[in-house]
Amino acid sequence: EAQVTQNPRYLITVTGKKLTVTCSQNMNHEYMSWYRQDPGLGLRQIYYSMNVEVTDKGDVPEGYKVSRKEKRNFPLILESPSPNQTSLYFCASSRTPFLVMGYTFGSGTRLTVV
Amino acid sequence: AQTVTQSQPEMSVQEAETVTLSCTYDTSESDYYLFWYKQPPSRQMILVIRQEAYKQQNATENRFSVNFQKAAKSFSLKISDSQLGDAAMYFCAYRETQGGSEKLVFGKGTKLTVNP
Repeated sequence: EAQVTQNPRYLITVTGKKLTVTCSQNMNHEYMSWYRQDPGLGLRQIYYSMNVEVTDKGDVPEGYKVSRKEKRNFPLILESPSPNQTSLYFCASSRTPFLVMGYTFGSGTRLTVV
Repeated sequence: AQTVTQSQPEMSVQEAETVTLSCTYDTSESDYYLFWYKQPPSRQMILVIRQEAYKQQNATENRFSVNFQKAAKSFSLKISDSQLGDAAMYFCAYRETQGGSEKLVFGKGTKLTVNP
């Protein structure tokens, strides 16, 4: 089944403890992206990647890191999480960099930082 | 940067009735793409419908259709014969092209309640 797989689905952590949210897609998509969803703010882009070893900042990149060493994987790293990073995170991918078909989304990761 | 506005934070509809969710956007481009996504309580983001701006014909997918008014920069979603399973957050999105990169810009969402 063609899909974007995110793990974990839920995560509770403490301030300052490094964490990684994994994202993997099995559709050979070139474009991958991370978004965060907050009530009343919709979805905002954190980082995106047009292809392997090519990443760039989105609208809210502060406090996050990403890497794209393989085409299928695009992990989101929080080096020192803070409570304002408590949010619902989505990984998304697209068949082409031109996004004409929109995104395929992962099932989301609910992160709570205490 | 382009903006997407959903002016109705919440809407409700009776089962079997029709409801229209509004979306407006700001752009100077002539060719672009618009999308509606559904997010049920399971929180999975599901593509409902897409519209290519250069096409005059409004997109339709079963009970879901859009009213695309290019000059007014309006892209509303009409749900006919509403069902309980249509209850969800609905997000309008615009494909933004800027500086050689693309991304989807989302509105803040409309929460739809379907009453039995």
